[in-house]
Order: sequence, then C-alpha cells, then structure tokens
Amino acid sequence: EDQVTQSPEALRLQEGESSSLNCSYTVSGLRGLFWYRQDPGKGPEFLFTLYSAGEEKEKERLKATLTKKESFLHITAPKPEDSATYLCAVQDPDRGSTLGRLYFGRGTQLTVWP
Amino acid sequence: EAQVTQNPRYLITVTGKKLTVTCSQNMNHEYMSWYRQDPGLGLRQIYYSMNVEVTDKGDVPEGYKVSRKEKRNFPLILESPSPNQTSLYFCASSPSGKNIQYFGAGTRLSVL
Repeated sequence: EDQVTQSPEALRLQEGESSSLNCSYTVSGLRGLFWYRQDPGKGPEFLFTLYSAGEEKEKERLKATLTKKESFLHITAPKPEDSATYLCAVQDPDRGSTLGRLYFGRGTQLTVWP
Repeated sequence: EAQVTQNPRYLITVTGKKLTVTCSQNMNHEYMSWYRQDPGLGLRQIYYSMNVEVTDKGDVPEGYKVSRKEKRNFPLILESPSPNQTSLYFCASSPSGKNIQYFGAGTRLSVL
C-alpha cells in the first residue's frame, strides 16, 4: 500500500488558470511533509516543508497547505515555466524530527500552455 | 558552488558485472540518501545515511550496497546487477536539522 498518493497524475492548465494538486498520506503521527519540483532530466528541487495541520507556506505563485490527512499545492495564475512534475514526500514518523526514511508519491505532471 | 555530484551520468552494463555509482557533496551535510526513479512508480528510497558509518535501509534495498566512510561520499554499489535494476538513480544530501534535500543530476543505468 502506498504511503503517499498524489492526484491527479497529470494536469494541463492554460496560462492563468489556477488549480490545486493533492497529496494524501496514510502515515500516522506525521513528522514532515515535503513538496519538490522536478524538471525533465533533472533532480528534484525543494519547494516546501510542512509540519502541522493548518500550516501554509508560499513561494511566488505556489502555496502549500496541510490538513491531518492531505496536503494541497495551490498554483495561482500559472505560467508556462511552472510546467514540471511536482512530488510530495512524507517522513517516517519513527525517525523523530530528523530526516530518515522518506516516502515519495508518484508525482503530478503539470503542463501549462500559453 | 554547493552541489551534489554523481558519476557516471550514464552507464550501460551487462548482467552480473559489479559497478559503483559515486556520489559526493561539498556542503558538509550529515544526511545522504539514494533513490531510484521508475516510470509509474515515482521515487523510491534505496538506502540512507544519517552520518559517517551510519546507514539504514530504505524501501527497496535488495540488490544494493552502500558505505559511508567519509562525510562527503556515499557510493552506491551493485554487486551483481540485473535488468530490473535498470533505472534513473538520484543521490541527495541534507544538513542536520534542516529537512531540505539537495539532489544530484541523476545517473541513468541500463543493465542488459
């Protein structure tokens, strides 16, 4: 059973059309949830870390939110350069506050067309 | 420049021929990790290391070995590669207390 499930698998948006990506997780006692962006042929790039329900983080057109069972990555007025695969990951709760074992979702491939 | 360097970037080999993929970071990070990425399966953790001489299994450790003798290096060893280890491999590092991973550019491995 996957610890992290992301939806949708793929999303096509017109430039300026806001939307949200979903990341749901099954681990209990969440220690940390992470969002990464991955461009084709490159390694993932860190975006956000969220630790507790109700927490929000923002960066340019992206805002990440966290509830007790899922996280959303909201994309406001996206541009073509936001096209990438967005990955969500959770920390193994048995490792306390330090990074240890991590579980990644399969990602959402976002395409923003002009 | 702060970076995580993987070598080689591309490798084609044959079943059973031992190989090592190197990973080096110049940021003095304590934590390092190896992942494989396969279409439809996403990123899966192979092994991680919390510090020198401290390593632990991730989700898919079978068929792989690692060592952490120096802080900056974390090689991934395939003693007897098989075709199902054909994949894109990423190394990452993170400083202690900051849950941010910095990834290398990836190594694309094909085992024939």
